[in-house]
Amino acid sequence: EVQLVESGGGLVQPGGSLRLSCAASGFTFSSYEMNWVRQAPGKGLEWVSYISSSGSAIYYTDSVMGRFTISRDNAKNSLFLQMNSLRAEDTAIYYCARENPTGDIQDWGQGTLVTVSS
Amino acid sequence: SYELTQPPSVSVSPGQTARITCSGDALPKKYAYWYQQKSGQAPVLVIYEDSERPSGIPERFSGSSSGTMATLTISGAQVEDEADYYCYSKDSSGHHRVFGGGTKLTVL
Repeated sequence: EVQLVESGGGLVQPGGSLRLSCAASGFTFSSYEMNWVRQAPGKGLEWVSYISSSGSAIYYTDSVMGRFTISRDNAKNSLFLQMNSLRAEDTAIYYCARENPTGDIQDWGQGTLVTVSS
Repeated sequence: SYELTQPPSVSVSPGQTARITCSGDALPKKYAYWYQQKSGQAPVLVIYEDSERPSGIPERFSGSSSGTMATLTISGAQVEDEADYYCYSKDSSGHHRVFGGGTKLTVL
């Protein structure tokens, strides 16, 4: 059974930093592309970032470019999102999401809440 | 940046057909995917690669795509289909993923 378990969310002041982690199990992590997707309270889904299976290709949505860094450790079956210079508009549930070869995201974690507020 | 446009809401009576559209300039060359999200839950994939249905998804869910518009059709919508629906695709480069703004389906 595929499991994705996020951690690292919490309350942070504007301008602060957080590092999210996602522990993967139940599949060969190193073979899959991964994404971070977020959802602000009462709002829609927003794709945040993508990383290829080897980590050689990385993409970000425009609003987080230069502030967020996605990475992975295939030896430890883990995905990360380093978030710096956080803003109120970054407040959201952040989901770790596995991308299938067909291009869809079929497996999601339970999400971790990030709240940016003074 | 690339955008996918959906209607904010669609409303049908039980047993009627619900159609939710998604428009985007890259859709002629990029697949559309559809997600159902119920309150407080993670999204569930209901259609992939424009028109394919994952195992376990009822046959009343179908998808199609023509030109710059993709459509999710729920034939004989049921009360339990009430949810937010999101289309998902990639931009023309294939690098950036994007979700539509979401459509709230009401069945009553």
